[in-house]
Amino acid sequence: AQSVTQPDIHITVSEGASLELRCNYSYGATPYLFWYVQSPGQGLQLLLKYFSGDTLVQGIKGFEAEFKRSQSSFNLRKPSVHWSDAAEYFCAVGAHRNYGQNFVFGPGTRLSVLP
Amino acid sequence: GAVVSQHPSWVICKSGTSVKIECRSLDFQATTMFWYRQFPKQSLMLMATSNEGSKATYEQGVEKDKFLINHASLTLSTLTVTSAHPEDSSFYICSASPQGADEQFFGPGTRLTVL
Repeated sequence: AQSVTQPDIHITVSEGASLELRCNYSYGATPYLFWYVQSPGQGLQLLLKYFSGDTLVQGIKGFEAEFKRSQSSFNLRKPSVHWSDAAEYFCAVGAHRNYGQNFVFGPGTRLSVLP
Repeated sequence: GAVVSQHPSWVICKSGTSVKIECRSLDFQATTMFWYRQFPKQSLMLMATSNEGSKATYEQGVEKDKFLINHASLTLSTLTVTSAHPEDSSFYICSASPQGADEQFFGPGTRLTVL
């Protein structure tokens, strides 16, 4: 069974600073990898996903993530954080095919942004 | 497009009563819907997979007699928490996956508080 770890429970950055949120997964086959953002009172929003191909994935809101198979990682990055980026971020992994039935979320990283 | 709604957004009930939560895909047909539970400051845990016209598949440890799931149409799935107790208080989130799509779209969640 697959699993996801997000080593950082809470990260605080200053507005305008760069950001990297870490995600490591465990899965024996080719994973489907996702990053979601959850803001208070709002549903989960997909930032980006990786299924295959180019290992550097561009997402919405200026986010990107890089799939590194050798490190079993899928870290999320943003070059310049905005105050509106403060939220909870979840990394998730799905199995190839029928991914929904085997969808696992990481514990989440809460991002705080200082003015 | 790909909007998923949940109703109600929050509900407070007395211990021992039953509560029904609706999940609707507003602009697409969803052959598969998923129900998640999220405890405060924790990640989402998949409770069950709901397929239109068939019985739901429950994850290990989820009581199917307590959490009744019905997926009667391609746009509606319901989760009924029967004989609710305070420990059932949680944030319940549904997601829906269009037929043939490799993505699931999340509803905004329902906050259940059992007194």
